[in-house]
Amino acid sequence: EVQVVESGGGLVQPGGSLRLSCAAYGLTFSSYWIDWVRQAPGKGLVWVSRIHSDGSKTNYADFVKGRFTTFRDTAKNMVYLQMSSLRDEDTAVYYCVILPPGYWGQGTLVTVSS
Amino acid sequence: QAVVTQEPSLTVSPGGTVTLTCGSSTEAVTSGHYPYWLQQKPGQAPRTLIFDTTNKNSWTPARFSGSLLGGKAALTLSGAQPEDEAEYYCLFVYRGAVVIGGGTRLTVL
Repeated sequence: EVQVVESGGGLVQPGGSLRLSCAAYGLTFSSYWIDWVRQAPGKGLVWVSRIHSDGSKTNYADFVKGRFTTFRDTAKNMVYLQMSSLRDEDTAVYYCVILPPGYWGQGTLVTVSS
Repeated sequence: QAVVTQEPSLTVSPGGTVTLTCGSSTEAVTSGHYPYWLQQKPGQAPRTLIFDTTNKNSWTPARFSGSLLGGKAALTLSGAQPEDEAEYYCLFVYRGAVVIGGGTRLTVL
């Protein structure tokens, strides 16, 4: 059974930084593109970023370009989302997603507040 | 970037059939958009019911099916059950990016 696990969420002040981690079990993690999707409280799902299976290509939603970076450590079988210059509106549950076929983690909550 | 359009809400009777659709603001939806259908219940993470237009995951109930219909992606639920009441999102993987619709609130009543 495939399991996707995010970690690293928490409370951070506006302007601060946070790094989220994503691990997956039950599949060859390095063979897959990895996406990050977020969901603000009571709102819909919004795509944030994606990274190629070998880490060579990345893409970002316009609202995080220049602030967020996604990268992977193939030796550790991990993908990360480095978030900086955080804003109140970045408050959300962040999901790590493997597309295809669409494996989702349980999410990690990021709260940006002073 | 394209905007993905979904019906804001739909209602289906228990045992009935309903079709949810998902369009693009810029062009007809094709298999090249690799449409996904996600189901999310309150307090839970989303789960993928359909990927690449028609493919089901091992956990996808047989009553759900995906297709292309009139230039849109479609999710058909045949024989709705009370547990199918949820928010349904469609998602496209297109031109190196991912776009997600605003969701359809499906009520089984």
